[in-house]
Amino acid sequence: QFVLTQSPSASASLGASVTLTCTLSSGHSRYDIAWHQQQPEKGPRYLMKLNSDGTHIKGDGIPDRFSGSSSGAERYLTISSLQSEDEAEYYCQTWGNGIREVFGGGTRLTVL
Amino acid sequence: EVLLLQSGGGLVQPGGSLRLSCAASGFTFNYYAMSWVRHPPGKGLERVSAISANGGTTYYADSVKGRFTISRDNSKNTLYLQMDSLRAEDTAVYYCVKGGDGPYADHPHYYFDSWGQGTLVTVSS
Repeated sequence: QFVLTQSPSASASLGASVTLTCTLSSGHSRYDIAWHQQQPEKGPRYLMKLNSDGTHIKGDGIPDRFSGSSSGAERYLTISSLQSEDEAEYYCQTWGNGIREVFGGGTRLTVL
Repeated sequence: EVLLLQSGGGLVQPGGSLRLSCAASGFTFNYYAMSWVRHPPGKGLERVSAISANGGTTYYADSVKGRFTISRDNSKNTLYLQMDSLRAEDTAVYYCVKGGDGPYADHPHYYFDSWGQGTLVTVSS
């Protein structure tokens, strides 16, 4: 069964950088993913589509501070120059025929 | 600018029905698959249902299969979710979601690139 695994929580200081990880289950290292952000009391927002080769396409208006990269079965979201509004839940998402659980469990990012 | 304007939702008793609507604008609606995603309180996101661009292919999560029906009217640029036999565990904020650009934009299994504002569905007696 295809599963996306995310750490439940992460934290970093204002102005610093943080990298969130989405791990694809065994045998699925070539899958692309998308990253979505959900700020408190708001709906999700699409951040980027991240391909297995590390290339990514960001959504409209997503700041340059947000970037993505890939290595094997790991998909990364790096946020630099952290701001208070980056405090949010971050979800990775995949797709494909037969994949029922398309979202990872989410990572709650706290900006200290 | 892509806009997904949701309506419907509210409080309903167990066993009742509701219909959600999502009026789309800012893109060529009949080119893209669409989905419904829900966010139950205290839990993560769950894809509920999806429909291909021409409406010919649909997908349902096991938790709603046989109770929910997704449909679309491409002449009205509107997506629907008919929810019957509602249960307490269906309580969630429901989001209308647009499929992403790319070679599989019309396919129900693809990435999501735009979200509606969400609508709360509460199933309780």
